[in-house]
Amino acid sequence: GQQLNQSPQSMFIQEGEDVSMNCTSSSIFNTWLWYKQDPGEGPVLLIALYKAGELTSNGRLTAQFGITRKDSFLNISASIPSDVGIYFCAGSDSWGKLQFGAGTQVVVTP
Amino acid sequence: DSGVTQTPKHLITATGQRVTLRCSPRSGDLSVYWYQQSLDQGLQFLIQYYNGEERAKGNILERFSAQQFPDLHSELNLSSLELGDSALYFCASSVERDNSPLHFGNGTRLTVT
Repeated sequence: GQQLNQSPQSMFIQEGEDVSMNCTSSSIFNTWLWYKQDPGEGPVLLIALYKAGELTSNGRLTAQFGITRKDSFLNISASIPSDVGIYFCAGSDSWGKLQFGAGTQVVVTP
Repeated sequence: DSGVTQTPKHLITATGQRVTLRCSPRSGDLSVYWYQQSLDQGLQFLIQYYNGEERAKGNILERFSAQQFPDLHSELNLSSLELGDSALYFCASSVERDNSPLHFGNGTRLTVT
């Protein structure tokens, strides 16, 4: 079956640094989604991508739908303490089946 | 606020018991999904309903069942509970059957003692 690999698993960064994480799939996806989960809360949708090559920003967040349709990345620029949390990617294949990555835990130190 | 409402927020029960988790989707959303998230784990897909009909099934145990009612709210029933069923259970909803973003509720934290 298809596999969705998200990396890194965790990252410890200093306030003000840029952050980058990515997801790769063994098969082609039609949609890539990026979510953030704060402790004790549900995941919140950050960015949705629908076309290969699409680059979309949401404030300090930027995500891209890879040209091969098998990968996506999320960048966070100039990190601040409230960026702490778990970031999940999710991809939807041609059958509409949505699969989540294992998450990237981001810890921001002052 | 995602617009997805889950009740109760917390649930503590004993092994062998049965519980029902409830979810009200965002207004206008026809699809409801259920996910399980154990401690320090990712999101495990359990089941999806679309407009009252079961659409897709994931890693849902036979002891678990769900349904979506005509008013589109959904319930997840967990029976013969085991210690390992302790987890956060999330409901999510989306407008369409496939390929539309999911919007998550804040979950029900189930503790089985």
